[in-house]
Amino acid sequence: DIQMTQSPSSVSASVGDRVTITCRASQSINNWMAWYQQKPGKAPKLLIYKASNLESGVPSRFSGSGSGTEFTLTISSLQPDDFATYYCQQFYIFSLTFGQGTKVEIK
Amino acid sequence: QVPLVESGGGVVQPGRSLRLTCAASGFTFNSHGMHWVRQAPGKGLEWVAAIWYDGSKKYYVDSVKGRFTISRDNSKNTLFLQMNSLRAEDTAVYYCARDTGEYDFSNPFFDYWGQGTLVTVSS
Repeated sequence: DIQMTQSPSSVSASVGDRVTITCRASQSINNWMAWYQQKPGKAPKLLIYKASNLESGVPSRFSGSGSGTEFTLTISSLQPDDFATYYCQQFYIFSLTFGQGTKVEIK
Repeated sequence: QVPLVESGGGVVQPGRSLRLTCAASGFTFNSHGMHWVRQAPGKGLEWVAAIWYDGSKKYYVDSVKGRFTISRDNSKNTLFLQMNSLRAEDTAVYYCARDTGEYDFSNPFFDYWGQGTLVTVSS
């Protein structure tokens, strides 16, 4: 099974900051990577799919990059609505796994 | 209008069974693969099972193989998860989610999610 390592587990940041979250896969997954945002008590929301494609309706301050084993989610200028937990998700030969999550907190 | 609504959760004793239901609306249900994803209290997300648009192929995480069965009724726009031999570690909120792709799993990501239903396995 492919292992996903997401870092950091939490980050404290201020409005306007640039935030970067990383996921590493134990083997190449090409570009089969997605990123989700989850707020307390709510279902996750798809932000990025296939590593770098912005889901319709998602603000352009969110971007994804990477391929192979290393992937990044970047929030270019953190907004008050962005304080949440973020998860990466990979797909490989019909096994899907999520990263451990990164909680973005107010500094 | 929420396109996915789960039901069927509750408190159940270890070893017993439970059947979850997900009612879909507002999209062409029979052209999308569907998934179940769970989240234990205070923990991260775990993919549980997936089913092709026509029900012909099914996939499971190792920890539920042989105990859980995913199925669908396209005539009623409904997805199911039959959970047998439940264990304490199955306690979680269970979400149904729509696969982004149509007619295959070429885009195995989740673009619509239900609100979730809580399953608690406890004696």
